[in-house]
Amino acid sequence: AQSVTQLGSHVSVSEGALVLLRCNYSSSVPPYLFWYVQYPNQGLQLLLKYTTGATLVKGINGFEAEFKKSETSFHLTKPSAHMSDAAEYFCAVSFTGANSKLTFGKGITLSVRP
Amino acid sequence: DAGVIQSPRHEVTEMGQEVTLRCKPISGHDYLFWYRQTMMRGLELLIYFNNNVPIDDSGMPEDRFSAKMPNASFSTLKIQPSEPRDSAVYFCASSPSGGSGNTIYFGEGSWLTVV
Repeated sequence: AQSVTQLGSHVSVSEGALVLLRCNYSSSVPPYLFWYVQYPNQGLQLLLKYTTGATLVKGINGFEAEFKKSETSFHLTKPSAHMSDAAEYFCAVSFTGANSKLTFGKGITLSVRP
Repeated sequence: DAGVIQSPRHEVTEMGQEVTLRCKPISGHDYLFWYRQTMMRGLELLIYFNNNVPIDDSGMPEDRFSAKMPNASFSTLKIQPSEPRDSAVYFCASSPSGGSGNTIYFGEGSWLTVV
C-alpha cells in the first residue's frame, strides 16, 4: 500500500531563511507526488507536482521540490522564507491508473519568525 | 472560473440532527471527492465519484454517513444522526479525467460543529 511520511508536525524558520520540509513515500511502483498548501481557514491548493520527466519541479511562490527515487523522497524547499509562507503543507502520493487515490501525509505547519 | 463551491461554510448543530453538506464541482471535472479533516486523523478520503458513480466509499466511517451525486454539477454528503465526534472540516474536491496525475482542486470547506 502507498503511504507518505512527513516527519515532525511543526517547523519554524526566520524570515529570509531556507525552508526545507521533508517528505518520504513508500511505493512499489513509480509514484505521482504532490505538495499542497493550506492557509488558515481555507482549502488546499496545489503548490507543485511531479508526474514524469524532470525530477526538479518548480511551483508557485518560489517553492520547488526534487524527486529522488533512490531516497524515496520529495522534499520541498524555498531559498528565502516570507511571512506569507506561514501555512500547513501536505505531501501526497498517487500512482498510475485512472482510479488511483491520492494519499496525504499528516501535514507540517510552517511558522515564519520576523 | 469558479472553483469548487461548498455550502454551508459553517454549521453548528445539535447531536442527533441531520446534516447535509453540498458541493458544486468545477464544470467539466469528472471526479468528485469528499474529504474530512480533523486534528487527530488529518485528511481522510471519505468517498469519491467518477462521472457521478461512486467508485470507492471505503472511507465512509459508518452507516450514518451517505453521499450522492445526482448529476455532474452537484453532490451532497449527509450525516444522520450527527454526533459530536463528527465535528470536523469537510472538503469537497474535483479533478478532471485522464489519470491520477491530475491536480485535485479543493473547495474552502464546510466547518461542522456538533454539540
